[in-house]
Order: sequence, then C-alpha cells, then structure tokens
Amino acid sequence: DGGITQSPKYLFRKEGQNVTLSCEQNLNHDAMYWYRQDPGQGLRLIYYSQIVNDFQKGDIAEGYSVSREKKESFPLTVTSAQKNPTAFYLCASSIILGQPYNEQFFGPGTRLTVL
Amino acid sequence: AQSVAQPEDQVNVAEGNPLTVKCTYSVSGNPYLFWYVQYPNRGLQFLLKYITGDNLVKGSYGFEAEFNKSQTSFHLKKPSALVSDSALYFCAVRLSDSNYQLIWGAGTKLIIKP
Repeated sequence: DGGITQSPKYLFRKEGQNVTLSCEQNLNHDAMYWYRQDPGQGLRLIYYSQIVNDFQKGDIAEGYSVSREKKESFPLTVTSAQKNPTAFYLCASSIILGQPYNEQFFGPGTRLTVL
Repeated sequence: AQSVAQPEDQVNVAEGNPLTVKCTYSVSGNPYLFWYVQYPNRGLQFLLKYITGDNLVKGSYGFEAEFNKSQTSFHLKKPSALVSDSALYFCAVRLSDSNYQLIWGAGTKLIIKP
C-alpha cells in the first residue's frame, strides 16, 4: 500500500526532554510538511521541505527542528525549547514539480503529551 | 492579510437532509481551493478541489462544492446526509503563484443526527 506512516501513534514526554516524531512516505512525493493541530484551531505549519537536504520554517517553527536526508523521510524533533508541545502532529506530502494544485496526503498523526 | 474563514464551528443536520458547510476566503491572486475531512484521532483525507473551469466540483463520498468568485466562497454540500458523514471538515486555499503552502480554515464540526 502506498501512503504516509507516522510513528509512534501516542508519545509521552517529560518536561525538558527532546523527542523525535517519525514520518515516512512511499508515494515518491517531492514535498513534505509538518503541521500542529490544537483543539478548535486549524492546522498550523511547522516546517516544510520541497527537496532533499532543504527545508523552510513555517508559521510556528520555534522549538522544533527537522531534517530531510532522504526523499522518503522527514522526522520532526520537538525540543525542550517548545513551551507548549502537547498537541496532535500531522505529517503530509505532495507532488510539486510545478503543480501547486495537487492535494496533500496526510499521515494518521502522532499525539504528543507532555507529562 | 490572506485568510480562510469557516464561519460555523458546528453544523447540525438530520440524516437524509441536505448539508452545507461554509467556507469563504480572502486572498490575492487566483486561488486553488480544497476540502478535507478528519475523523476522530485520524489524519486528514482529501475530498475535492477547485482548480479552474466548472464552478461545481464533485468529490469523494457524494460531496460537492461550489466555487463563487464574486462572493469568494467555496461551500461544501451534499444532497442527503449520512450519520457516517459526522466529522471535522477543513477548507484550505493555495495561491496559484505561491510556494505551495496552504492557508487553512479553523474547521467545522459536522454532526448528523439519526
């Protein structure tokens, strides 16, 4: 099956710890995205990457870091600098190649809770 | 500022009745418009999109949406609601000349009552 996988599904973190959320896609998509979802709010973009070894900050990048060493993978690290990290995190991917009307495909999400 | 508005936090519809979930946008340039659905504790699923051409777009699960340029709206509709349509619906817009980022609405919770 083609798609996007995120792991783990649930993640608990103690204050002061860094944690890494995994996102893998086998759709051969160029672009990958990380969003944060909080209750009653729309999706907020954390980081996005249009090509391997390149990524850009989104609207709420502070306290987060990413890497894009492979086309298939776009892990997100939530650092201790992120003051309120408890949220639902969604990874997405899309084809770019000059086609901005292509939809994004989403993974199942990771729910992060800070204890 | 560019934005997308979903003016209703929640929409309640009886099963079998038509449903409408509203979306309006404020952007410069020519937009591409999208609707997504999210079931509890799940990722988002793509429903439909407007690129150009016919203002009425048909999508998955019997949903359709009408693009109205003069009213800058892209309302989601379905002629006959099912209980299984109950979910959170998001409208999003991307500019045709953008760097491919999406501007998202806050979401509308759709509740279909038997």
